[in-house]
Amino acid sequence: AQTVTQSQPEMSVQEAETVTLSCTYDTSESNYYLFWYKQPPSRQMILVIRQEAYKQQNATENRFSVNFQKAAKSFSLKISDSQLGDTAMYFCAFMKYEGGSEKLVFGKGTKLTVNP
Amino acid sequence: DGGITQSPKYLFRKEGQNVTLSCEQNLNHDAMYWYRQDPGQGLRLIYYSQIVNDFQKGDIAEGYSVSREKKESFPLTVTSAQKNPTAFYLCASSTSMGQGSSPLHFGNGTRLTVT
Repeated sequence: AQTVTQSQPEMSVQEAETVTLSCTYDTSESNYYLFWYKQPPSRQMILVIRQEAYKQQNATENRFSVNFQKAAKSFSLKISDSQLGDTAMYFCAFMKYEGGSEKLVFGKGTKLTVNP
Repeated sequence: DGGITQSPKYLFRKEGQNVTLSCEQNLNHDAMYWYRQDPGQGLRLIYYSQIVNDFQKGDIAEGYSVSREKKESFPLTVTSAQKNPTAFYLCASSTSMGQGSSPLHFGNGTRLTVT
């Protein structure tokens, strides 16, 4: 079974500081995609960043970057210069292929609070 | 602007009644999905569809049904057989399946309360 584990149910950080959210996954596939989604209080799901497994270079999107460790099956999200608007639930997700279909499997999420 | 529209935002039903949640997209996406979100559970896949007139069960399909008669529409019916239907439901779409680089685009969700 392919699972996604986010071990930190809640985290907090001071505005302008850096925070890292952890995610581990389990798969026997060699190529796959990983994603981080953000869900603010509005509950709209927003794509933050994505990583293709065969690319060794860590993905970066402005203040958001990942630390992708393929051998360890780890995919952490680093948020630099945290802003109040970063307060949200963050979900790690793994794209799996099953029976010719493609499905996204989510972790249970980390609730991040950015304090002023 | 292209996007995914879910309606209504809030829905209330009495126990024992079937209810249908609407999902419409104008992104010309082939694949559509329904997820259920409960506190502390993340998102769990209910049903998904790769093309018109075809759909597959996800991880928690029991008590739900779907149809895909048009590319733009993927309604979800929560039947009376669903034992715990109160939840937040999210619809999503993506370009052709088999391309893992295509991220999911989500609607704003429907909060269903059954009493």
